[in-house]
Amino acid sequence: GEDVEQSLFLSVREGDSSVINCTYTDSSSTYLYWYKQEPGAGLQLLTYIFSNMDMKQDQRLTVLLNKKDKHLSLRIADTQTGDSAIYFCAEKGGGYGGATNKLIFGTGTLLAVQP
Amino acid sequence: DAGVIQSPRHEVTEMGQEVTLRCKPISGHNSLFWYRQTMMRGLELLIYFNNNVPIDDSGMPEDRFSAKMPNASFSTLKIQPSEPRDSAVYFCASSPDSLLAGVLQYFGPGTRLTVT
Repeated sequence: GEDVEQSLFLSVREGDSSVINCTYTDSSSTYLYWYKQEPGAGLQLLTYIFSNMDMKQDQRLTVLLNKKDKHLSLRIADTQTGDSAIYFCAEKGGGYGGATNKLIFGTGTLLAVQP
Repeated sequence: DAGVIQSPRHEVTEMGQEVTLRCKPISGHNSLFWYRQTMMRGLELLIYFNNNVPIDDSGMPEDRFSAKMPNASFSTLKIQPSEPRDSAVYFCASSPDSLLAGVLQYFGPGTRLTVT
């Protein structure tokens, strides 16, 4: 079945770059996402990438997709203490035009930014 | 836009009681999703609606759970009777109906349910 995996924890110093990794199993994934969850809050969509793209950049965020290895990463440049949160990777399967709008979420990676 | 609105934000109830969680999606969005988040199981999709019609309810844990969407601006998730293992944060999300339908899901703040 579909599965999305992430490492549980990442600690970085303020100003450094953070790289959060994710692997998935569904080869028919069409879209892949990164969500951010701050304590006591809902999930905030950060960015997403189509599966026919290798890279997407949005200000401090860079998403890299290796479709062959089914590996997705999120790089946060110049990480700030306000970036401390749980980051979820998610994928939408079903192929292009697939009937399902179901997202499969990873377990989340807790990013701790040390001042 | 106010975003996805959920109520109540916190609910504490005793085992056996009925619990009703409410969600108002973003105006104009045609898809609505209910998720449950726990430490043990992470984020799970319970059910989703498209144009008020349930499309996939395979994630609904058992008959004690039911969800309705009587109109485009309101949905409920009901648990009857509630059990301690239902304690979790329940999120509602909505998505616009377009070629990218389901791609962009916007989450509400969640309802933290505690069943004692």
